[in-house]
Amino acid sequence: GEQVEQRPPHLSVREGDSAFITCTYTDPNSYYFFWYKQEPGASLQLLMKVFSSTEINEGQGFTVLLNKKDKRLSLNLTAAHPGDSAAYFCAVRGSALGRLHFGAGTQLIVIP
Amino acid sequence: EAAVTQSPRSKVAVTGGKVTLSCHQTNNHDYMYWYRQDTGHGLRLIHYSYVADSTEKGDIPDGYKASRPSQENFSLILELASLSQTAVYFCASSDYRVNQDTQYFGPGTRLLVL
Repeated sequence: GEQVEQRPPHLSVREGDSAFITCTYTDPNSYYFFWYKQEPGASLQLLMKVFSSTEINEGQGFTVLLNKKDKRLSLNLTAAHPGDSAAYFCAVRGSALGRLHFGAGTQLIVIP
Repeated sequence: EAAVTQSPRSKVAVTGGKVTLSCHQTNNHDYMYWYRQDTGHGLRLIHYSYVADSTEKGDIPDGYKASRPSQENFSLILELASLSQTAVYFCASSDYRVNQDTQYFGPGTRLLVL
């Protein structure tokens, strides 16, 4: 079955710096990919989803890159601020209908 | 925006007791899921369902039952709660026909088993 590995498990950056999180997956037939943000004590909020073969999506203060050739999904928070402090999870929709496979998460701390 | 609610939001249970966690969605989604999250870790799938009156085992189903009496409702049942089942439980729903199968999560239920 699908295996998703997320790195790093913990990340501390200073305010204004970039924070880079990467997930690798194993199922070459995967085609929907998601990033979720979880603030302390809260639920998971969808940050972004991508599904093209190689895609860069830009959101408010972050960029998501999907490289299907390398089976790699990345999240780059540009100019991080303290409000970005949270846990971030990648999720991959593999071959099985309706099933998402989650990475173990990255605990991000942005130091003012 | 998709809406998934859970009840109770927190619960204290005794070892060996029965616990029922409820989830309700108003999204008209076919799929519903139960996950558990342990402190500092990711989500693990317990049970899921793609149609009323049918449930499927996820990755960690032992010690849990699920019930889907209607499209909107999905329950997670711990018949004999154990200390190891202390965790936060999240319900989610999705529809593979729209939104690229995006899962929308409820607020979570904090379960403490003593």
